[in-house]
Amino acid sequence: LAKTTQPISMDSYEGQEVNITCSHNNIATNDYITWYQQFPSQGPRFIIQGYKTKVTNEVASLFIPADRKSSTLSLPRVSLSDTAVYYCLVGDNRRSGGGADGLTFGKGTHLIIQP
Amino acid sequence: DAGITQSPRHKVTETGTPVTLRCHQTENHRYMYWYRQDPGHGLRLIHYSYGVKDTDKGEVSDGYSVSRSKTEDFLLTLESATSSQTSVYFCAISLDRTSTDTQYFGPGTRLTVL
Repeated sequence: LAKTTQPISMDSYEGQEVNITCSHNNIATNDYITWYQQFPSQGPRFIIQGYKTKVTNEVASLFIPADRKSSTLSLPRVSLSDTAVYYCLVGDNRRSGGGADGLTFGKGTHLIIQP
Repeated sequence: DAGITQSPRHKVTETGTPVTLRCHQTENHRYMYWYRQDPGHGLRLIHYSYGVKDTDKGEVSDGYSVSRSKTEDFLLTLESATSSQTSVYFCAISLDRTSTDTQYFGPGTRLTVL
């Protein structure tokens, strides 16, 4: 699995757009990029997934440059409730049926939104 | 939210005692997972199951065993709890085991081993 690197923590203010960048220099051709969000005292939950260019849903946007060595999760107009840990994962959609790999969660980015 | 429950939600036990955590799902998903989450380590996979009676080890399986006798239930057992197993345990489920398949997580169980 490709190793990912993301900032340990970030601060922002309500109403701002927040961009969290994840570096994955060794991403493989068949790897997808997935982001999860974890609120305190809860399990992680899926936010968004993409392979290239841009993906947008009701929660966030994911920007992936042509070389795919990094990706940026964009949260528009954040609120206090967006304070959470955000995990970037990179993995192969072909890998199934066994093995101890699959989803690997790193330490994530602790995003703190202030009033 | 996916129908995943974990029990108990909180438990305090003593070193050397056996502990069993239960994960129950109502989604009929094939794959089930147990993770532990510790400060500074993120989430680490303990064991997973790919069907009834089919399980395999994850990254940190030492000291843990699992069983899955029904599709909906996945049990995690600490045979003899140690203080290093104090953690928050999360169960997750997915339809498939590819890295692109969404995993749905339960609410977690906070275990303290004294």
